[in-house]
Amino acid sequence: TQLLEQSPQFLSIQEGENLTVYCNSSSVFSSLQWYRQEPGEGPVLLVTVVTGGEVKKLKRLTFQFGDARKDSSLHITAAQPGDTGLYLCAGVYNNNDMRFGAGTRLTVKP
Amino acid sequence: GAGVSQTPSNKVTEKGKYVELRCDPISGHTALYWYRQSLGQGPEFLIYFQGTGAADDSGLPNDRFFAVRPEGSVSTLKIQRTERGDSAVYLCASSSGTGVYNEQFFGPGTRLTVL
Repeated sequence: TQLLEQSPQFLSIQEGENLTVYCNSSSVFSSLQWYRQEPGEGPVLLVTVVTGGEVKKLKRLTFQFGDARKDSSLHITAAQPGDTGLYLCAGVYNNNDMRFGAGTRLTVKP
Repeated sequence: GAGVSQTPSNKVTEKGKYVELRCDPISGHTALYWYRQSLGQGPEFLIYFQGTGAADDSGLPNDRFFAVRPEGSVSTLKIQRTERGDSAVYLCASSSGTGVYNEQFFGPGTRLTVL
């Protein structure tokens, strides 16, 4: 059973389009992290959200943590081919323990 | 280097053999994590060390899997009597291990293939 459910599993869009991916759980987390992974490499942290309702922006990426700290979303504006990759959310609990979702594989076509 | 390193990068073994996978964390990081990642999936938690002790080993799939971190730095993941289903990329990550902004830094992984 996946602790964190990510949707969609796959997303293929054209350059310039906007998109949103979701991360949902029935559990409450201390914080939630988003990572991006390229083929043949380990995941790399994009952002950590801690407070319920928190919104963080990283250039064209907007991250939101749900009010109840159980879910999160990642919105990308004007997607570019360089955004292609596997986007993973990870729930942090008990401060140091962490569980990952299955990921959303994004392909942005030029 | 300053990052997390894992050796070997690739390991091919035969069913039933024993394998050891090594992880060198970032110097000074107290927390160390092992994950297993199958193709197209997210990392599956295996075990987490805080210092020398396993703080959470609930992700180890069965007693063929074992991990140690005897001096609180380098860790070894050991798999006995390997099975074809063990084939995956094994990722190691380390962190400073404190607070909710606990960023994990990942190594490139060891790709294990069991024939």
